[in-house]
Amino acid sequence: EPEVTQTPSHQVTQMGQEVILRCVPISNHLYFYWYRQILGQKVEFLVSFYNNEISEKSEIFDDQFSVERPDGSNFTLKIRSTKLEDSAMYFCASLYSLTGELFFGEGSRLTVL
Amino acid sequence: SQQGEEDPQALSIQEGENATMNCSYKTSINNLQWYRQNSGRGLVHLILIRSNEREKHSGRLRVTLDTSKKSSSLLITASRAADTASYFCALREGSQGNLIFGKGTKLSVKP
Repeated sequence: EPEVTQTPSHQVTQMGQEVILRCVPISNHLYFYWYRQILGQKVEFLVSFYNNEISEKSEIFDDQFSVERPDGSNFTLKIRSTKLEDSAMYFCASLYSLTGELFFGEGSRLTVL
Repeated sequence: SQQGEEDPQALSIQEGENATMNCSYKTSINNLQWYRQNSGRGLVHLILIRSNEREKHSGRLRVTLDTSKKSSSLLITASRAADTASYFCALREGSQGNLIFGKGTKLSVKP
């Protein structure tokens, strides 16, 4: 069964460092998303991406965040200068348009020290 | 944008019992979806119900939607210890709108 894959599974970084989280969405999906989940809290929408551009973003997705689809398969989330409060699980998802179902990756746990 | 509010926040039952979780929302929706999350894992889609549907079944899962009351329920029948997880409702306002998740119900099924 096709799946969304994310790397790394866990990254530890120092405050102020840049972090890039990578995702390979399901190949024939066209809409991609990043969500985050701070430990024990709800899943929060960050950004959606379609046709090589951002289609919608939340208030959380400020200038420190960026997304890119550098090639035909990868979808990346970059945090330019990490803060302690960026510590969370970051989930990538892609949309199966026919059903409206989101397929999620297993997440990348980011720990900012 | 809106989000669903799940109720209860936590639910603990014995294996074999039924588990019912509710989701309430405030504005009109295109569809409502339920997802499951095992601790520390990604979310897995369970079932989608469209705004013109009232009830859907999938195995031991039954979802209802009452658009007049702006609420949905997820029923898991004959629960198993492996059903232990957090369950989230997620709302989509338009056909391409983003999915917004609630805070979830943490279900614990004791063997």
